[in-house]
Amino acid sequence: EAGVAQSPRYKIIEKRQSVAFWCNPISGHATLYWYQQILGQGPKLLIQFQNNGVVDDSQLPKDRFSAERLKGVDSTLKIQPAKLEDSAVYLCASRYSGRITGELFFGEGSRLTVL
Amino acid sequence: DQQVKQNSPSLSVQEGRISILNCDYTNSMFDYFLWYKKYPAEGPTFLISISSIKDKNEDGRFTVFLNKSAKHLSLHIVPSQPGDSAVYFCAARAGNQFYFGTGTSLTVIP
Repeated sequence: EAGVAQSPRYKIIEKRQSVAFWCNPISGHATLYWYQQILGQGPKLLIQFQNNGVVDDSQLPKDRFSAERLKGVDSTLKIQPAKLEDSAVYLCASRYSGRITGELFFGEGSRLTVL
Repeated sequence: DQQVKQNSPSLSVQEGRISILNCDYTNSMFDYFLWYKKYPAEGPTFLISISSIKDKNEDGRFTVFLNKSAKHLSLHIVPSQPGDSAVYFCAARAGNQFYFGTGTSLTVIP
């Protein structure tokens, strides 16, 4: 089965510019997560979707970050305008709720560098 | 507030010996605990998990132990191999939410 797909893998922008990341989860996985991982830290949840609805976006900086999953499949995370502290790896993960363990499956991540 | 903690940023072990990675948590509502392995420039991959009602789960060279009274879990890798060199993240689940530790970088010396 195909894994979680993310693009782009790498992006370098200047502060105040905008950037968008795309994620396509594993087929059949209703739950999709976006995590931010800053160097030396663990993944931190930004937003969680169940199908096309938002379950938790309490840690999403909504003044600059937005995310959508319009058809309940792929998702886009946008940052506008970017700040230096947004430099991080943005990880997308999906989960099949039907499994008792229900572990997360991660994509390879999108590394953002803000100059 | 960090609900899952990995207090050792790094660990070095000789090939063939045991690697023990530790993790502490604070929330009694966590129902599953998971370990993920991450190589550079790749996403984390699931390694092994344990239910909160168990105290041990084994999968080949990997064993996870859970001590609920101490709110502590550990991952044992026996024998350690150079290919095990990676960053290991401990994670805990409450419902649909997952909380991650800061990771331990394991180096297995040939």
